[in-house]
Amino acid sequence: GAVVSQHPSWVICKSGTSVKIECRSLDFQATTMFWYRQFPKQSLMLMATSNEGSKATYEQGVEKDKFLINHASLTLSTLTVTSAHPEDSSFYICSAESPSSYGYTFGSGTRLTVV
Amino acid sequence: ELKVEQNPLFLSMQEGKNYTIYCNYSTTSDRLYWYRQDPGKSLESLFVLLSNGAVKQEGRLMASLDTKARLSTLHITAAVHDLSATYFCAVDRSFGNKLVFGAGTILRVKS
Repeated sequence: GAVVSQHPSWVICKSGTSVKIECRSLDFQATTMFWYRQFPKQSLMLMATSNEGSKATYEQGVEKDKFLINHASLTLSTLTVTSAHPEDSSFYICSAESPSSYGYTFGSGTRLTVV
Repeated sequence: ELKVEQNPLFLSMQEGKNYTIYCNYSTTSDRLYWYRQDPGKSLESLFVLLSNGAVKQEGRLMASLDTKARLSTLHITAAVHDLSATYFCAVDRSFGNKLVFGAGTILRVKS
C-alpha cells in the first residue's frame, strides 16, 4: 500500500518550453504532497509543499512563477516548470505522507533535461 | 532552523566489515528517517524511528535513535556489495511535516 506514482520518468525539452510532472497517490488520499529537487551527487532540497484545494507553500528562494504547483484533487499534484532553461535540469521527486506508517512515500522521480 | 548533518559523506568498505553512519540534528524533532537511494532512482524507505532509544533492524542494517543526544546511527554489519548505495537520514521539522535531509553518505562495498 501507500504507492506514489510519478511521471514522466524522464523528459527532454527545449529551452523556453514548459514541462508538467504529475504525482499521484494510487491507493490513498494525500491532502499534502511535497516536491523536491535533487542535483547530481547532492541531497534533496524541498521546493514546495502542495496542499489540496489551496495554494502551495514555497520554500525560500524557489520561484513560484517558474515552478507552478497545482493540487486539484486528493490524489493528484502537478509541478509545471515554465519557460524551462538548462539550469532547471535536475531530478524532481514528489512525496506524500504515508497513511499506513509513520513515514513518507516517494515517487520514482523525473529526470528533466533542458536543451 | 533545523539542520541535519551526516558523516561520513563517503565510505568505502570491504565486504564482510562493519561500519556506522552517523546523523546529528540540531533541534527537537518528532521523527527520524533513513532512506536508501540507488543511482538514478528515487528514495526507498529503510527505517522510521519515533522515540528515544528506538532500535530497528532489517537484514544487515540496524538503526538507532538517541533523542537526548540528537543522534541517530545506521550500523552496517558484514557488508555485502548489494548494500552499495547512497544513504540519507532525514528529520521532520518541529512544526509541519517537512523533511530536512542530511547530505547523504555514499557507500561503496568492495568485493
